[in-house]
Amino acid sequence: DAGITQSPRHKVTETGTPVTLRCHQTENHRYMYWYRQDPGHGLRLIHYSYGVKDTDKGEVSDGYSVSRSKTEDFLLTLESATSSQTSVYFCAISDRANYGYTFGSGTRLTVV
Amino acid sequence: AQSVTQPDIHITVSEGASLELRCNYSYGATPYLFWYVQSPGQGLQLLLKYFSGDTLVQGIKGFEAEFKRSQSSFNLRKPSVHWSDAAEYFCAVMVSNFGNEKLTFGTGTRLTIIP
Repeated sequence: DAGITQSPRHKVTETGTPVTLRCHQTENHRYMYWYRQDPGHGLRLIHYSYGVKDTDKGEVSDGYSVSRSKTEDFLLTLESATSSQTSVYFCAISDRANYGYTFGSGTRLTVV
Repeated sequence: AQSVTQPDIHITVSEGASLELRCNYSYGATPYLFWYVQSPGQGLQLLLKYFSGDTLVQGIKGFEAEFKRSQSSFNLRKPSVHWSDAAEYFCAVMVSNFGNEKLTFGTGTRLTIIP
């Protein structure tokens, strides 16, 4: 989507290795979110940020950490990847005035 | 805690037929409700949203949804589907937590269109 990009788009990694996914926005939105999407579960919130250096946990935060040192970047880190973290990860940004989320195109992560 | 239920995992509809996708929510206050669509390999796109006022809301691509408080429902409808409507559809509810709004999604309904 225009204004939000995720990198990488695809990644295969080994169990136990650290992985960082990047979400970059050019919209200057305050709110940023990381979701994971799995069959039968829809999208589940991992972590979110409501400003630079302000983050909080979502419903499935175990095994994940995040950082936001600049408005435009929100990083999701898997400190030691496990096979259960194989998923499609989506970043979203929000303009609170409209309460509408804009989603990135996703990162497909496979942990082998 | 808030929750969203989409009881239909998969629906098949003939092209040109009408469509209704069901969504029920559980939330104590008046919720903000959304429908998103996801085409294969893509991110999610907002179809429509309900905050307050008229309970029938119009969205993009000819979709509409009706908020029914008595039934805790927010069903998505389209009078005549097109093959391009084949996708996965997600209902979502927004919860405001001291200004930190978060979306909670249903598990999705996959829509297949047959000729």
